[in-house]
Amino acid sequence: NAGVTQTPKFQVLKTGQSMTLQCAQDMNHNSMYWYRQDPGMGLRLIYYSASEGTTDKGEVPNGYNVSRLNKREFSLRLESAAPSQTSVYFCASWGSYEQYFGPGTRLTVT
Amino acid sequence: AQRVTQPEKLLSVFKGAPVELKCNYSYSGSPELFWYVQYSRQRLQLLLRHISRESIKGFTADLNKGETSFHLKKPFAQEEDSAMYYCALLPYGGATNKLIFGTGTLLAVQP
Repeated sequence: NAGVTQTPKFQVLKTGQSMTLQCAQDMNHNSMYWYRQDPGMGLRLIYYSASEGTTDKGEVPNGYNVSRLNKREFSLRLESAAPSQTSVYFCASWGSYEQYFGPGTRLTVT
Repeated sequence: AQRVTQPEKLLSVFKGAPVELKCNYSYSGSPELFWYVQYSRQRLQLLLRHISRESIKGFTADLNKGETSFHLKKPFAQEEDSAMYYCALLPYGGATNKLIFGTGTLLAVQP
């Protein structure tokens, strides 16, 4: 039981490049989330998915898109990366009255 | 507005000293509150939740509805307690289980 997994662990992009962050969970959870973590800002919700086939915006959705591919997978896409998107990104899922987090992706946009 | 406030960005204590990490919330209903911990370069993990009334790794937290607080306490800090701590609120009845996080407090326990 791997829990929540994310790929890649690290990524460096140039301004304007695109990429997709992958997330998967093997706990059969319905709800999944994407957060970004910045110093002094805590965790901010980017997008979430209450169930397969549904997605909705969180607090800071601009510049991002998501896909809930199936119950297991929830990806986050940056279409045209900007330096302001330099951050650590965490995927999470909810189950058993607890939010489970992935290990994070450290993204740097130059 | 629903909000979680952690007023201290950094709390530095010596080993063996008592620790109190402050958390205040703004919510009109009955909240469910949590503390999450993130050790250096690791994923966030649940430390405790108020409905369980449990003590994990010596930490406890009591919900004070009058003061709208959920402070995290430990009587004797250990060096391995050094980490980032996040307080989080779950609005009652939400179908999406969206947690509202505070900005976090970095606890540094000095030897």
